[in-house]
Amino acid sequence: ELKVEQNPLFLSMQEGKNYTIYCNYSTTSDRLYWYRQDPGKSLESLFVLLSNGAVKQEGRLMASLDTKARLSTLHITAAVHDLSATYFCAVDVSGSNYQLIWGAGTKLIIKP
Amino acid sequence: EPEVTQTPSHQVTQMGQEVILRCVPISNHLYFYWYRQILGQKVEFLVSFYNNEISEKSEIFDDQFSVERPDGSNFTLKIRSTKLEDSAMYFCASSRNTYGYTFGSGTRLTVV
Repeated sequence: ELKVEQNPLFLSMQEGKNYTIYCNYSTTSDRLYWYRQDPGKSLESLFVLLSNGAVKQEGRLMASLDTKARLSTLHITAAVHDLSATYFCAVDVSGSNYQLIWGAGTKLIIKP
Repeated sequence: EPEVTQTPSHQVTQMGQEVILRCVPISNHLYFYWYRQILGQKVEFLVSFYNNEISEKSEIFDDQFSVERPDGSNFTLKIRSTKLEDSAMYFCASSRNTYGYTFGSGTRLTVV
């Protein structure tokens, strides 16, 4: 059974600081997704990582994928209050294309 | 930007009643999905649908659940006899290819 573990599950930080959210998964997959969810809202796609070594950046967020270590990271640089949200990683079951297995989410609070 | 549209945004139903949740995927997308998120918990895969049939379903998607694409544009999730534990946010998603999911804004189902 594929397991996806995120840590930390909760993170409170000050504006301007850097931090990293980790996503480990337990079986082979070369597709990993990062989503953002604001309270009561839908799931907003942030990054799609499709191969080993993939790195993508958008603004203050950067995501990377190491398929050999079965690890993805979401790095936040110089955090701002607007980045407060819950961040989920999700893994495509290898070879399936049909379902995503989700981490529990990291609730990020950035204090002004 | 194209959107996945879900209706209703909130549905309250009595235990044992049937509910139908509706979704209009993006028009040129080929793959369709339902996920659910119990309040404060992780997102869970329910079912995927491609080429007018179910591709994959989870253990949650038991005989009480069914999906249909009745008219080439709508994609529905039916729960035949709702239980209290079916209360959740239900998200529809679609994708054109084997990655790049777009999620709808969700239907909050409350079973009383």
